[in-house]
Formats: sequence, C-alpha cells, structure tokens
Amino acid sequence: IQLTQSPSSLSASVGDRVTITCRASQGISTYLAWYQQKPGKAPKLLIYAASTLPSGVPSRFSGSGSGADFTLTISSLQPEDSATYYCQQVNSYPLTFGGGTKVEIK
Amino acid sequence: EVQLVESGGGLVKPGGSLRLSCAASGFTFSSYNMNWVRQTPGKGLEWVSSISSSSTYTHYADSVKGRFTVSRDNTKKSLYLQMDSLRADDTAIYYCASGGWGFSLDYWGQGTLVTASS
Repeated sequence: IQLTQSPSSLSASVGDRVTITCRASQGISTYLAWYQQKPGKAPKLLIYAASTLPSGVPSRFSGSGSGADFTLTISSLQPEDSATYYCQQVNSYPLTFGGGTKVEIK
Repeated sequence: EVQLVESGGGLVKPGGSLRLSCAASGFTFSSYNMNWVRQTPGKGLEWVSSISSSSTYTHYADSVKGRFTVSRDNTKKSLYLQMDSLRADDTAIYYCASGGWGFSLDYWGQGTLVTASS
C-alpha cells in the first residue's frame, strides 16, 4: 500500500491552521497513524486509528479520514511544532510510510 | 516510563554482518509486537521488520528479506536484528519500536547508526 503525503513542505506562521494530507493507494479503513519527528530525534506517535491522540499529545493536533484519504490538522501552529510529519498505514504488511511533510515556522 | 535502547551499530564493510540489540523496560515486553524501522540520514522512514509477541510471526521488507533476521528474548526483554550480506544501501539509523493499536509504533528508541562502507 503506497501512501502519498502532501505537501512535502510548508511554511506557516505561529497561530496558523495547518493541514497535511495523506492518500493511500487502497482503502485502509482507519488503520492510519501519524508521527512527528524533530531533527536528530526519533519519531513520536502523534495519532493512531486515524483520529485518536495518545495521552500527552496536545489537543491542537487532530486527525480525520477513513478509507483512502486522511488529514492531519494543527489548529494553531506553535513554534515547537516545527518538525517533519509522517503518515503510516498500519493495516497490513509490509507497513509503509508517507514521504513526510516538513513544517517550518515563518 | 517506557524505554527502548538500541545498540550494536557501527561501521561494517559491504558483505559483512552486524547484530543490533534493543533493550526494553517500563512495559510488559512479552505482550507486544516489536519492530525495526530505518532511516537514511536526511531521508524518510522505512519499515524493516516486525515480530509478534511470542515470536510466532515475523515479517520483513522485501529489501531485507533473506538477509536480515529478527528475533527476541522475552526473558531478557530484548529485541534483535541479525543483519547479514550488508550492502551500502543498508546504511541508515535503525530504530526499534514497540507495537500498538493495529500495527502502529507506540514508542521508539533513540536509534543506532549502521554504516556499510568499504
């Protein structure tokens, strides 16, 4: 299953609403996860089951979608959100990741 | 607190072998699937391998199938990746990650760098 993320990068101001999309090559129900990776650090799970936030993830992050089209939204961008975001399908092997979206702060 | 600590990375010549380890703590290791994911410096994430909680099932990316072997020792709370016939394009940071809902990757180690170069 191939995942296509867009955009590959974006630049936005603090307080902006940011949306990243992830499209799967076939339907995966809600078997999608999102990860945040900051430079020099390991990825961190941000959302699972397409829309569920693990404990400790700020509520400004949200996920939506099912089937083949998914969205990660940051409702009010903060300086600490500067990172690369990856989607991953967790439906079947081989597990696959999207190409990543680099979010920069203007 | 969940901790995953990888070790065993280093410089190896193409064709050589390396064994990575991942020591787990802070959770019931024997109850969770475990995974290896790699990342070429400056590039994206690539899933490498997964193993079920009791080692019944293993899965591999096509790029490593037949060369890499994943295993675990639940008594030692440790995950392993035996890497044989290494190639230059295996050069990457290797992360171990614990499994969660579906096949999501809940917790990640800090990674260990493997460099296959002559």
